[in-house]
Amino acid sequence: DAKTTQPTSMDCAEGRAANLPCNHSTISGNEYVYWYRQIHSQGPQYIIHGLKNNETNEMASLIITEDRKSSTLILPHATLRDTAVYYCIVRVFYQGGKLIFGQGTELSVKP
Amino acid sequence: NAGVMQNPRHLVRRRGQEARLRCSPMKGHSHVYWYRQLPEEGLKFMVYLQKENIIDESGMPKERFSAEFPKEGPSILRIQQVVRGDSAAYFCASSPGDYPQFFGPGTRLTVL
Repeated sequence: DAKTTQPTSMDCAEGRAANLPCNHSTISGNEYVYWYRQIHSQGPQYIIHGLKNNETNEMASLIITEDRKSSTLILPHATLRDTAVYYCIVRVFYQGGKLIFGQGTELSVKP
Repeated sequence: NAGVMQNPRHLVRRRGQEARLRCSPMKGHSHVYWYRQLPEEGLKFMVYLQKENIIDESGMPKERFSAEFPKEGPSILRIQQVVRGDSAAYFCASSPGDYPQFFGPGTRLTVL
């Protein structure tokens, strides 16, 4: 699985969009980008995943660059409850298999 | 549709005792994963199971730890002769296979 690089921490004002970047320059053609978050030692929460097209769901949007070497998770209107550690994970999409969590980005949403 | 369930949520054991952690996957999910999070550290994969089979146990400590996912009932992570270094949050996740994993709330193990 390709390695990912994320900033250690970020701040965001409540109500503004939070844009969390992730670099995955060694991603291969069959690897997907997954995003999870962990709110204060709770179980990790799945957010979104994608291969090459931009994706959107009720939680967030995922923008993947054309060369697929980086991506951005967008929380359109961040709230205090979005304060969490966000993990970007790259792996092949197949039946099963472990997730390898890096250090993630600690997002602090401030009033 | 209930999520992944783990019990107990908190478990206290004395050194040398056994700890049994249970995980009931989401309905329809036949793949179960266990992860461990030591204090102030990241999440680490331990083991991946399908019904009655261990698929990948590359993250399991070589001794004292075992896992099973029987045909009927929950998945069990068993830690024999616990030591203080086993104190951690243990998370279970499940998936139907070719889909993202969904995590439970975790079991916090404290070894006295």
